[in-house]
Amino acid sequence: GDSVTQMEGPVTLSEEAFLTINCTYTATGYPSLFWYVQYPGEGLQLLLKATKADDKGSNKGFEATYRKETTSFHLEKGSVQVSDSAVYFCALSPRGRGQGGKLIFGQGTELSVKP
Amino acid sequence: DAGVTQSPTHLIKTRGQQVTLRCSPKSGHDTVSWYQQALGQGPQFIFQYYEEEERQRGNFPDRFSGHQFPNYSSELNVNALLLGDSALYLCASSLSRIHYEQYFGPGTRLTVT
Repeated sequence: GDSVTQMEGPVTLSEEAFLTINCTYTATGYPSLFWYVQYPGEGLQLLLKATKADDKGSNKGFEATYRKETTSFHLEKGSVQVSDSAVYFCALSPRGRGQGGKLIFGQGTELSVKP
Repeated sequence: DAGVTQSPTHLIKTRGQQVTLRCSPKSGHDTVSWYQQALGQGPQFIFQYYEEEERQRGNFPDRFSGHQFPNYSSELNVNALLLGDSALYLCASSLSRIHYEQYFGPGTRLTVT
């Protein structure tokens, strides 16, 4: 079945460092892809999305490009801040009759940014 | 504009009991999905409701049931609670035509003892 695999955390970076969190997926067809962020004690917030191959989602300095050839959707940010410390989830929404609507999540990657 | 709200925030139940969790969707949204998030894991899809009917269901037993009301709010019911049901239960709302773009509530933390 469809699935999402993320790099394991925790990831610890110094402020202003470059961030990459890897995400690969397995799916039938071409799903929509998402990154969600979860701050401590809160629900998930949609960070960015891409609905077709080669789309680039971006928000708040974060970017991810939908790579069909490598089935990947890696999250990047050029300069992280302490306030970016959170758990990041990669997710897909399958296409196809009866499949749309649910989100399939990876296990999450915890990011800790030190001043 | 109120986002997705859930109640209660925390809940402690005993094995074998039943629980009801509630969710109000974001204004303008007509579709509600429920997820279970175990500690340290990603959320797992339970089911989705649209037009007061269950539209899609994940791999959860029949002990998990739901309901959607005419005002689009929703309830999640879990019967015969097990210790393994302890988790954060997340509600997400969306528009039916963009059902994959979901907005999450803060969740209800359920502890089963």
